[in-house]
Amino acid sequence: GESVGLHLPTLSVQEGDNSIINCAYSNSASDYFIWYKQESGKGPQFIIDIRSNMDKRQGQRVTVLLNKTVKHLSLQIAATQPGDSAVYFCAENNAGNMLTFGGGTRLMVKP
Amino acid sequence: GAGVSQSPSNKVTEKGKDVELRCDPISGHTALYWYRQRLGQGLEFLIYFQGNSAPDKSGLPSDRFSAERTGESVSTLTIQRTQQEDSAVYLCASSLDAAGVYNSPLHFGNGTRLTVT
Repeated sequence: GESVGLHLPTLSVQEGDNSIINCAYSNSASDYFIWYKQESGKGPQFIIDIRSNMDKRQGQRVTVLLNKTVKHLSLQIAATQPGDSAVYFCAENNAGNMLTFGGGTRLMVKP
Repeated sequence: GAGVSQSPSNKVTEKGKDVELRCDPISGHTALYWYRQRLGQGLEFLIYFQGNSAPDKSGLPSDRFSAERTGESVSTLTIQRTQQEDSAVYLCASSLDAAGVYNSPLHFGNGTRLTVT
């Protein structure tokens, strides 16, 4: 079936640089997307979400971009810090009551 | 305030035994979800409870898996006759409304790590 996927399984960045984590989705009917951060031994933590009627949404040091034409979602983290090291998941809502999660991207921040 | 609480945090069991995992959602959250996460992988939906409606069991991988929820509070996930492929982290999440509703994000517990030997 249709699912959310990710381009890069591991991303390594230098502390202070900006990070971009990408996600491709295949269900054009999806209307709501969320990014989660999962640290080792913990459950996923909500970061930011976006509805399909938006192209961009900004939070604190994070920005989510949605390109519906190519079905692409990205998470930008400004001035990446060691505490940002984690696995990041994108998720989409395409079935009303539940989210479908992608496989995750591991972000490693080098000091 | 208190988040989603899961117990036990770790469980080691022998193949063939039954296990019961517990989830205490955030108070007032009507929706409760169970997900399974195998090592290094994403989250696999198992089951969804919403208020007093019949649960959505479409993600349960076999009839060895079942779950119950008491009203809008505690939920238990039971795995009967455990197999080695059941080894994973089982995550519970709750939300104020259904997870697909904007501004009703899922809040996850830290999961139960199940190891079947």
